[in-house]
Amino acid sequence: DAMVIQNPRYQVTQFGKPVTLSCSQTLNHNVMYWYQQKSSQAPKLLFHYYDKDFNNEADTPDNFQSRRPNTSFCFLDIRSPGLGDAAMYLCATSRAGREVAHEQFFGPGTRLTVL
Amino acid sequence: ILNVEQSPQSLHVQEGDSTNFTCSFPSSNFYALHWYRWETAKSPEALFVMTLNGDEKKKGRISATLNTKEGYSYLYIKGSQPEDSATYLCAFRPRSNDYKLSFGAGTTVTVRA
Repeated sequence: DAMVIQNPRYQVTQFGKPVTLSCSQTLNHNVMYWYQQKSSQAPKLLFHYYDKDFNNEADTPDNFQSRRPNTSFCFLDIRSPGLGDAAMYLCATSRAGREVAHEQFFGPGTRLTVL
Repeated sequence: ILNVEQSPQSLHVQEGDSTNFTCSFPSSNFYALHWYRWETAKSPEALFVMTLNGDEKKKGRISATLNTKEGYSYLYIKGSQPEDSATYLCAFRPRSNDYKLSFGAGTTVTVRA
């Protein structure tokens, strides 16, 4: 089945130690998104790729970076994780365009713990 | 930042009872409203995409209505079952943006057997 896969599902890191979360998709969608969700809050868009074009949200901290080496893979790099970066990180994909059923397809998320 | 609110934040339902909850969103510049179901340890799953004022969508025992003029959508669960336990997220898509969604914080439903 076509899907969005995130690895690892759970990640524990130390304060200040760089960490990379990965996302892959078999849907061949041209847009990939990274969201951060903290407990009881709305998923917050960090950035997205439209094909190879990187689009950063205005309030995304510089500590967060992303790479998309090809259509299928996208990485979230947190350069120096702080305690406040502990959250669920969701990857999603979509096919861009003005069609109505423009739904996003999500991975199961990576739960990041910062010690 | 687009303000999308969901209420209540959580609710508990007895198995067999029906329930509903609300998503409110900006009434101007509306393009589409999405509903997702997110079960624990799984991926959020799309339920509905709604675009027309007065729209009503149904999937099994779950249905949703849309009022774009006043900026709200209701999601209904009829005859709740334990497998309906999940967080239900709504997401607003404005006309001015091609593909980005603004999410609410979700309503977490727990169905007690």
